[in-house]
Amino acid sequence: EAGVVQSPRYKIIEKKQPVAFWCNPISGHNTLYWYLQNLGQGPELLIRYENEEAVDDSQLPKDRFSAERLKGVDSTLKIQPAELGDSAVYLCASSLGGLAGRNEQFFGPGTRLTVL
Amino acid sequence: AQSVTQLGSHVSVSEGALVLLRCNYSSSVPPYLFWYVQYPNQGLQLLLKYTSAATLVKGINGFEAEFKKSETSFHLTKPSAHMSDAAEYFCAVLVSGGYQKVTFGTGTKLQVIP
Repeated sequence: EAGVVQSPRYKIIEKKQPVAFWCNPISGHNTLYWYLQNLGQGPELLIRYENEEAVDDSQLPKDRFSAERLKGVDSTLKIQPAELGDSAVYLCASSLGGLAGRNEQFFGPGTRLTVL
Repeated sequence: AQSVTQLGSHVSVSEGALVLLRCNYSSSVPPYLFWYVQYPNQGLQLLLKYTSAATLVKGINGFEAEFKKSETSFHLTKPSAHMSDAAEYFCAVLVSGGYQKVTFGTGTKLQVIP
């Protein structure tokens, strides 16, 4: 079974440039998460989707960040414009959703963003 | 709001020695608790989870954790460390019946000394 796929794995951009990350979750997983992981920290939730609906985006900085999950499968996270402080690893995860006992999250390898 | 606190950002053990990584949680309702492992340049992988069944939970790679309500703890242990255990470990909490939001700790980096 294929795991969560993310691309690109690494991205270096200059500040004020736009950037986009792509995530393909495990087949059949209704719930998709985007996390931000700073160096030496645990993942922090940016947004969670149930199918194509964003059900928790309270931590997403909406002035520059946007996300979409068309058709309830793949998802894209965008930053425009990027700032120096956005340098971090962006993790995508998916889970079956439903009852909490089934909420094992499967993580992708992440995209490491460096903003110069 | 639920939270977890991991004591010790770095832990060093000798190969073959006991591994003990500490996690304390804060939750006003019965929590679900998780331990994840992250190897360099990889995503997180679930080691084990507590979902209100048995308080002693066994996971992959010989790890186990015990849920102690009286101490609000969920420490991760392994009797004998292996070089391949060197990684970063994250404790996480999910409030049952809630919004399915998982909160992660800040992580503990485990170093195994040969």
